[in-house]
Amino acid sequence: KNEVEQSPQNLTAQEGEFITINCSYSVGISALHWLQQHPGGGIVSLFMLSSGKKKHGRLIATINIQEKHSSLHITASHPRDSAVYICAVNSGGSNYKLTFGKGTLLTVNP
Amino acid sequence: GAGVSQSPSNKVTEKGKDVELRCDPISGHTALYWYRQSLGQGLEFLIYFQGNSAPDKSGLPSDRFSAERTGGSVSTLTIQRTQQEDSAVYLCASSPFLAGGHYNEQFFGPGTRLTVL
Repeated sequence: KNEVEQSPQNLTAQEGEFITINCSYSVGISALHWLQQHPGGGIVSLFMLSSGKKKHGRLIATINIQEKHSSLHITASHPRDSAVYICAVNSGGSNYKLTFGKGTLLTVNP
Repeated sequence: GAGVSQSPSNKVTEKGKDVELRCDPISGHTALYWYRQSLGQGLEFLIYFQGNSAPDKSGLPSDRFSAERTGGSVSTLTIQRTQQEDSAVYLCASSPFLAGGHYNEQFFGPGTRLTVL
């Protein structure tokens, strides 16, 4: 079993829909990261959080440390949000080593 | 300012050849990371540098893989006697100094796509 599990693996939505991507982890963590990777493109860090909730534009990330679960929400989704979203954690007391989920491929249709 | 750059962007090589992949981190970033992204495998950690030192090489898959960093800046990942299973995208990232207990956002380069024939 992977230390970091994401769901769903694939998600297709219509423009304007509210999107939720989930991440569960099985180890103690110090921080959790949400990353975005466009097809053929590089990886961009969206959020780094260790508690509570963060918001940036239409993106919201939440984390529940007790339940070992994080969610990434996208409000008013747009085709340009189509990308792979990757959850990663700093685990084992490491402040540098990331363990990654396998990613969620999001496709937003116009 | 300039982001993390990597070269080459694509590399095709024959099995058994050695390859060198280069990473130029963001100026002033003391931490540098190498990752590998294989089809169906997701991202995996290879090695981490703090300055010129590599305190964690635990992710290097075999002794054919090595990396160095000079002047606290440019890093080179070398793969000797390449095998077909080495085919992947190799990503470099950098971040500012990591003091104990601090966690920094990592800035990723565009990657080098390595194909071993």
